[in-house]
Amino acid sequence: GAGVSQSPSNKVTEKGKDVELRCDPISGHTALYWYRQSLGQGLEFLIYFQGNSAPDKSGLPSDRFSAERTGGSVSTLTIQRTQQEDSAVYLCASSLAGFGRGSGELFFGEGSRLTVL
Amino acid sequence: DQQVKQNSPSLSVQEGRISILNCDYTNSMFDYFLWYKKYPAEGPTFLISISSIKDKNEDGRFTVFLNKSAKHLSLHIVPSQPGDSAVYFCATARGGYQKVTFGTGTKLQVIP
Repeated sequence: GAGVSQSPSNKVTEKGKDVELRCDPISGHTALYWYRQSLGQGLEFLIYFQGNSAPDKSGLPSDRFSAERTGGSVSTLTIQRTQQEDSAVYLCASSLAGFGRGSGELFFGEGSRLTVL
Repeated sequence: DQQVKQNSPSLSVQEGRISILNCDYTNSMFDYFLWYKKYPAEGPTFLISISSIKDKNEDGRFTVFLNKSAKHLSLHIVPSQPGDSAVYFCATARGGYQKVTFGTGTKLQVIP
């Protein structure tokens, strides 16, 4: 498809298990973002990849969270030893480089809903 | 440290009237501002944007106003339609550096 694709769309796991969430950005988009939205909350920035630059990890809430982007395309967000407070919708977005009229906007996937029991 | 704030978590407006959604930011380095719309169980979608060299940008029923001295932006929707009912997020970024910071969102309900 032409949009940002995320999988799985829903994941239920037990506390203490590891989970992996996948994001396929729009082809040609050099920037990739992960955000999460907890119940009743806004969009919380997690991590940002831009081309071959070092990722901006400033939003990762703890060292249990990590993300990688292979070949400048697909990204995986990994949460180790999940906790109940990790329950949220994890949203991936991609964009072309550079801000300007009509460019720089983020295109979001539909998200991966994570429930930690 | 919430750099982008939407102080109204919800707003209810009659169909045909104007909806005004507000957003305040703290970092004067931000120079690009966006509004996104989100329906339940969907990802946010881009609505309209404005750069800091402008104070107004209009696209159909949607107009964004930027007051740099007050570090405030607003989204006007007129006339409001029931299909506009959604959560609206404002977002900010610095030119050349694409980390985009989102506000907490305002849930708009347009009553038929």
